[in-house]
Amino acid sequence: GDSVTQMEGPVTLSEEAFLTINCTYTATGYPSLFWYVQYPGEGLQLLLKATKADDKGSNKGFEATYRKETTSFHLEKGSVQVSDSAVYFCAHWFEGRAGGTSYGKLTFGQGTILTVHP
Amino acid sequence: GAVVSQHPSWVICKSGTSVKIECRSLDFQATTMFWYRQFPKQSLMLMATSNEGSKATYEQGVEKDKFLINHASLTLSTLTVTSAHPEDSSFYICSARDGGGIYNEQFFGPGTRLTVL
Repeated sequence: GDSVTQMEGPVTLSEEAFLTINCTYTATGYPSLFWYVQYPGEGLQLLLKATKADDKGSNKGFEATYRKETTSFHLEKGSVQVSDSAVYFCAHWFEGRAGGTSYGKLTFGQGTILTVHP
Repeated sequence: GAVVSQHPSWVICKSGTSVKIECRSLDFQATTMFWYRQFPKQSLMLMATSNEGSKATYEQGVEKDKFLINHASLTLSTLTVTSAHPEDSSFYICSARDGGGIYNEQFFGPGTRLTVL
């Protein structure tokens, strides 16, 4: 079935370090891919997205490229800040039909806790 | 972006009671709403999907009689945990999508922490 696998955490970095959080997926077809961020005590927020192969999503210094050949969507940031400390979720959205019914579903990875120290 | 609210933020109840959680889309019409459950340090697990005016579609393994979902309007969905037990204690998150509208993406509520004693 469809699934999303993220790099195990937690990840602890010093401020200004380079960040990579790996994400790979399995899906039938070509899903849209997302990274969500959950700050302490808050709901999930969309960080960035990519809807087709080779698309690069970017926001707040974070980037991720939709790699169809490796079924990956790794999140990167060149220089993290303390304020980036949060839980990051990779996800894919897939729309399909089953039994005459159309459906859409967002499937999440397990989440990666990022802590950035000053 | 659009805002999704949940009420209450947290609730503590006795075993055997029922608890209702509300999810509202504040500035858009949510054609589809989703309910998730999140265990500590784990991912979000989709419980059910509901379209306004239709019965909810539950994921495999989710008891529809235990978790009652109502999506009576384009801005409100409710999740009722019936006869709650300690194993139902969790963080419940709703999400709303305007499905082809202005945003065409999924927005998440802040979550509701349920503790069953």
